[in-house]
Amino acid sequence: AQSVSQHNHHVILSEAASLELGCNYSYGGTVNLFWYVQYPGQHLQLLLKYFSGDPLVKGIKGFEAEFIKSKFSFNLRKPSVQWSDTAEYFCAVNADNAGNMLTFGGGTRLMVKP
Amino acid sequence: GAGVSQTPSNKVTEKGKYVELRCDPISGHTALYWYRQSLGQGPEFLIYFQGTGAADDSGLPNDRFFAVRPEGSVSTLKIQRTERGDSAVYLCASSPGRGRVGVNEQFFGPGTRLTVL
Repeated sequence: AQSVSQHNHHVILSEAASLELGCNYSYGGTVNLFWYVQYPGQHLQLLLKYFSGDPLVKGIKGFEAEFIKSKFSFNLRKPSVQWSDTAEYFCAVNADNAGNMLTFGGGTRLMVKP
Repeated sequence: GAGVSQTPSNKVTEKGKYVELRCDPISGHTALYWYRQSLGQGPEFLIYFQGTGAADDSGLPNDRFFAVRPEGSVSTLKIQRTERGDSAVYLCASSPGRGRVGVNEQFFGPGTRLTVL
């Protein structure tokens, strides 16, 4: 079975700091990769996704992620965070042997101090 | 509607009771998913419907859990003889159609917070 690891459970940054959240998965076959965000009091929203092509994916609100197949990683980055980026971030994987289910990581709670 | 809706938003019940959680997907979406999110964890897959049929129910934890989607739109997740360990947020998602989930994004609802006392 697939598993997804997000090693940073809580991250605290000041505004304008750079962000990188780690995501590693365990499946060796073809994968589709996602980052979802959950702002306080809101539901999960898709931030960006990768399913083929350029391994550097750009999403909404200035976020990007890079798929490195050799490292089984899909880290999320943002050059300069804002207070409004305070949220919980979830990495998710769909493996080609898992139908349409998503396997989620445990999430990273980001707090940006103004 | 504009997005996936779920009712109720909160449900408190007693151990041993039966509960039903409802999901209204985005209009026209043929695929529907249920996930469960326990405190401090990411969502865990429960079941996936394509149309009226359950295409994958491998995530249902035991036979106390059951879900239906009789007309291919609204879905109901049913939990019998609830236990305290069932307390979690139950999330529903829908996506436009067939094909790999990488092509069809899953849109999530706000969830139902179930508390079993």
